[in-house]
Amino acid sequence: GAGVSQSPSNKVTEKGKDVELRCDPISGHTALYWYRQSLGQGLEFLIYFQGNSAPDKSGLPSDRFSAERTGGSVSTLTIQRTQQEDSAVYLCASSSSPTGHMNTEAFFGQGTRLTVV
Amino acid sequence: DAKTTQPTSMDCAEGRAANLPCNHSTISGNEYVYWYRQIHSQGPQYIIHGLKNNETNEMASLIITEDRKSSTLILPHATLRDTAVYYCIVRPKGIQGAQKLVFGQGTRLTINP
Repeated sequence: GAGVSQSPSNKVTEKGKDVELRCDPISGHTALYWYRQSLGQGLEFLIYFQGNSAPDKSGLPSDRFSAERTGGSVSTLTIQRTQQEDSAVYLCASSSSPTGHMNTEAFFGQGTRLTVV
Repeated sequence: DAKTTQPTSMDCAEGRAANLPCNHSTISGNEYVYWYRQIHSQGPQYIIHGLKNNETNEMASLIITEDRKSSTLILPHATLRDTAVYYCIVRPKGIQGAQKLVFGQGTRLTINP
């Protein structure tokens, strides 16, 4: 695709339900990132996938949050037993990352706005 | 990762140059300076990055001091569409590939007509 695609664009869920957010990175990009942004706040790093390496999960706020990346492409962020404080925009980004090369820019999707009621 | 310090907010008149400062006094030799911006209700957008030398592209210029402890992003002729939050990020040069981006609070730049 032309850019990073996220779905759904908006999600309203009831407290206690599980939700899955999807990210389709740019084709060929080996690095994939998830962030969340609460209203009026900065971007909070959640998790980072780089090729076949073990993901960097250091930003996940609790064990209710998990993410996987199947086949090195599409990623799903899962939030179990959602709470109201999980309400935020969840942003995904991807970048190409040839081993041994300098850093390259990350391209962001438009995000999924999650509202927990 | 080295941390960055940016002013919380800035104003600039339309058509003038916008100069956004960033302090990164603990930057190490293998760390790049990246700039992203986020326009309201959109995902962040890459602007420019550099290591030691000044850089220029179609969007902006990046001036890095000789000691690399600070940098300035310059938007040469600011327009109303440049109103956004601007993030300065220090990011290690990856050996195995790209490293994660850690965003601070950024500078909210408002371009006034």
